[in-house]
Amino acid sequence: DAKTTQPPSMDCAEGRAANLPCNHSTISGNEYVYWYRQIHSQGPQYIIHGLKNNETNEMASLIITEDRKSSTLILPHATLRDTAVYYCIVRPGGYIPTFGRGTSLIVHP
Amino acid sequence: SAVISQKPSRDICQRGTSLTIQCQVDSQVTMMFWYRQQPGQSLTLIATANQGSEATYESGFVIDKFPISRPNLTFSTLTVSNMSPEDSSIYLCSVDGGELQSNEQFFGPGTRLTVL
Repeated sequence: DAKTTQPPSMDCAEGRAANLPCNHSTISGNEYVYWYRQIHSQGPQYIIHGLKNNETNEMASLIITEDRKSSTLILPHATLRDTAVYYCIVRPGGYIPTFGRGTSLIVHP
Repeated sequence: SAVISQKPSRDICQRGTSLTIQCQVDSQVTMMFWYRQQPGQSLTLIATANQGSEATYESGFVIDKFPISRPNLTFSTLTVSNMSPEDSSIYLCSVDGGELQSNEQFFGPGTRLTVL
């Protein structure tokens, strides 16, 4: 079930913005874009989600292209604690998420 | 947000035995989910557990191997039966936040199982 495509790994310097891309070219009109992350040895953590408008919360910003075929999760000031696997998931609201391989983000000093 | 706890947090078991994992949520939820995460892999949904009905299993998972109980709206158990080393994984309980939580999915801390 490859509804999303993410780079397998990325790295970022501490204090800089981390921009994690996700392609979802087959997204349907009723499907949201969700982002989760999984820090080593912990359960996944919800970050943010959006339908078509850009969204921002205390953790991150989500930028969705106008055609909704791709999105970018932005961690504005990455810290070492942001090192994790980040999952981009496309699904209708209320449906069970299917997890792909995600992007392993390493934040280095 | 929902707070989820799991017991045990980890265990080492002998092949052929069974282990029951408990999941407790701090609020009533309709749907609870069980995932498996094999070493180095992503999460795979095992089954959906609704209170008052039998669990719904995903392809590749069967009730005899992974029996699930859902006695009330805050609790569920997953049993890994007749274990083999291939069952060594992290098992995660999850709930949907529902309308009040914008359909966020909340996860427990996981149970790390090693089968020798």
